[in-house]
Formats: sequence, structure tokens, C-alpha cells
Amino acid sequence: SAVISQKPSRDICQRGTSLTIQCQVDSQVTMMFWYRQQPGQSLTLIATANQGSEATYESGFVIDKFPISRPNLTFSTLTVSNMSPEDSSIYLCSVVLGGEQYFGPGTRLTVT
Amino acid sequence: TQLLEQSPQFLSIQEGENLTVYCNSSSVFSSLQWYRQEPGEGPVLLVTVVTGGEVKKLKRLTFQFGDARKDSSLHITAAQPGDTGLYLCAGNAGNMLTFGGGTRLMVKP
Repeated sequence: SAVISQKPSRDICQRGTSLTIQCQVDSQVTMMFWYRQQPGQSLTLIATANQGSEATYESGFVIDKFPISRPNLTFSTLTVSNMSPEDSSIYLCSVVLGGEQYFGPGTRLTVT
Repeated sequence: TQLLEQSPQFLSIQEGENLTVYCNSSSVFSSLQWYRQEPGEGPVLLVTVVTGGEVKKLKRLTFQFGDARKDSSLHITAAQPGDTGLYLCAGNAGNMLTFGGGTRLMVKP
């Protein structure tokens, strides 16, 4: 299994600012995923981040709004840019290891 | 787009009752995973089913993968308050998970 940590665990931010979320994994993994989970909802994939290449974004998500870094095989960051209250959500990073997908504890973001 | 429909969306039962959660799709998946998520936590993997018709048991939880690998069910026997949480199924097709809408279970003592 994989142990995944995220920072921060939660934050309250003002409209128009940006927040960078960090994800650290205890194993080297090729693919890391970033998901959004709005209150009471299921998970929606934002993007897939491979080390050494540009992230691949899902429909409805763009790099300018959610820039992603993947500097090595154990770390990634997701930035939520120019935030609005609609961005209030839980952001989760995830990895595939041994054919199974594991999730971090999430970052709960509230935008006021 | 591959869709996974989960039912029911919400379930509130008394301790000791049995329940079944369903996950259905028109698409075939190479595998299907079930997760449980508690408030303030990320989803925790419960089981992965791979073979059509496969049945896996995890204590009071029984998971079944349909013969055609398009659907799955989770059955909980004698539910306990500790089973309360959000249950998510996720189908795997080519290194990408498609999540169902989730079933929010509340087990009252």
C-alpha cells in the first residue's frame, strides 16, 4: 500500500487569492492524480500528473486555473488559482500502486 | 464517458440490519474497487474485484463483481454504527478510475 500525506489539511482563503496544495507519497509512483470532491458529492478527476511531463487535464479543468507540478516520483503540487467560493471543496491526491489506487487525506478548502 | 450509477444514494438503517449497495454501468471494467470514506478523511480502499462473478468477503462485508464485469454489489450483514460513512465504487478502465456517485450510509444504534 501507499502512505500519502497532504498539506495543508484545511485552509480558509479569500476570494482572488491562490493556494498551493502539496502531496507526498512514501513510494515512487509514475502517475499521480488530483481529484476534487464537493460537499456531499463523489470524486471528480481534475488532472493526471506524470513526472517529467505536462499534466493531463480533464474536461472542465484548465492549467491556468489548476497548475500542477510534478518535480519527482514522490511529490506533486496542485495550485488553485484566483479562487472563488465555487472552489470550496476537498482536494485529494491519489496514486496507483500495485494496480490499486490510494488516496491522501484531502485538503479542505473554504473560499470566502 | 463511462458512467457508474450507485444506488441508493442515501441509506439510514438501524444497527443489526442488513443492506446492499449497487453499482451499475453499461461499460465493462477491468476491475472494480470499493472505498469507504469518513468525514475529514480520504477514501480508504476496501477491496478490488477483478474476475467476472468474483465474490470477496471482508468480515461482514461481501463484494460481488457481475459476470459481465459491468456491475457490482456490496452487502453488509448486521450493520454497526462503525459502518457509517460514504461508500464509493470505482471502475478501472485503462489506468483511470471512474467513480460512482456514492452511497451515504448511516447506521443508528
